[in-house]
Amino acid sequence: DIQLTQSPSFLSASVGDRVTITCRASQGISTYLAWYQQKPGKAPKLLIYVASTLQSGVPSRFSGSGSGTQFTLTISSLQPEDFATYYCQQLNSYPLTFGGGTKVEIK
Amino acid sequence: QVQLVESGGGVVQPGRSLRLSCAASGFNFNTYVMHWVRQAPGEGLEWVAVISYDGGEKHYGDSVRGRFSISRDNSKNTVYLQMDGLRPEDTAVYFCARDRCFGCRSFDWWGQGTLVTVSS
Repeated sequence: DIQLTQSPSFLSASVGDRVTITCRASQGISTYLAWYQQKPGKAPKLLIYVASTLQSGVPSRFSGSGSGTQFTLTISSLQPEDFATYYCQQLNSYPLTFGGGTKVEIK
Repeated sequence: QVQLVESGGGVVQPGRSLRLSCAASGFNFNTYVMHWVRQAPGEGLEWVAVISYDGGEKHYGDSVRGRFSISRDNSKNTVYLQMDGLRPEDTAVYFCARDRCFGCRSFDWWGQGTLVTVSS
């Protein structure tokens, strides 16, 4: 199975900050990676798929990059509604797997 | 408007069975791959199972393979998760999710989730 390691697991940031979250895969997965945002008590929301394609309706301050084993999610200017937990997920092969999550909190 | 509504959760004793349902509306259900994903209290996301648009192909996560079974009824626009031999570690909110496109393996619509608690 493909393991995904996210870092950091927790980060504290201020509104307007640039935030970067990293996801590392245990083996190469090309660009078969997605990112989700989840707020407490809610279902996750798809942000990005195939590493860098923005899902319809997602603000352009979110961007993704990477290929192979190293991926990043960047929020260019953190907004109040962005405080949430973010997960990466590999699309390469079954069983599908998620990273452990990164909780973004207000500094 | 796409809607996915899960039901069937509740409290169940270890070793017993439970069947979850996910009723879909607002899209052509019989052309979409469907998934189940779960989240234990305070924990991260865990993918559980997938079923192809026609039910002919299924895959499972390692922790549920051999105990859980996914199925669908396209005439009822519903996907199911039969859970047998439940264990305390199966306690979680169970979400059904739609695959974004054929072969995409990412989830563009999710239900609100249904809580399963396995406890004696």
